[in-house]
Amino acid sequence: AQKVTQAQTEISVVEKEDVTLDCVYETRDTTYYLFWYKQPPSGELVFLIRRNSFDEQNEISGRYSWNFQKSTSSFNFTITASQVVDSAVYFCALSGGGADGLTFGKGTHLIIQP
Amino acid sequence: GAVVSQHPSWVICKSGTSVKIECRSLDFQATTMFWYRQFPKQSLMLMATSNEGSKATYEQGVEKDKFLINHASLTLSTLTVTSAHPEDSSFYICSASPGGGLGTGELFFGEGSRLTVL
Repeated sequence: AQKVTQAQTEISVVEKEDVTLDCVYETRDTTYYLFWYKQPPSGELVFLIRRNSFDEQNEISGRYSWNFQKSTSSFNFTITASQVVDSAVYFCALSGGGADGLTFGKGTHLIIQP
Repeated sequence: GAVVSQHPSWVICKSGTSVKIECRSLDFQATTMFWYRQFPKQSLMLMATSNEGSKATYEQGVEKDKFLINHASLTLSTLTVTSAHPEDSSFYICSASPGGGLGTGELFFGEGSRLTVL
């Protein structure tokens, strides 16, 4: 069975601080996909990144960066110079691909205070 | 980019009535769509996998007779909550992938439908 653990239920930081959201996953699949989504109060899911299990290269997109480490089954997400607009619930998710749906973590509520 | 649209965005109904939620892929064909449910301040849970032209596959614990799924075309899947009760009040979100699923395509989510059963 697949499992995604986001141990941080809520994080609160002051604007401009850097913040890292942790994600640890469990799967028996050798091929799998990892995702991060942002869910603002309006409810829609905003896609941030998809990473397949064969690509351990870290990625940076503007203020966002992701650290994928298969050795520790982790896929952590860092926001540098956080802004108030980053406030949302962030979900890490896992899929075996093909016709598999996503297994979501419980989410981390990120609060950026001005 | 590809768009998945849900309708209605929100709906309020009386206990015992049935509610239908539509999920459409607007600019691609989706042989597989997924339905998720999210209770307040909780995570998204996969309810079922909707397959075009065949029966949906339900996750353990999801009543297939209560949550009817129809995927009659490559661009439309519907979720009908039959005889809705207050405990069915939730945020329902669909997702779809063009072509061969995650291995070859992206996964897109609808805007979600918020159901409130009085």
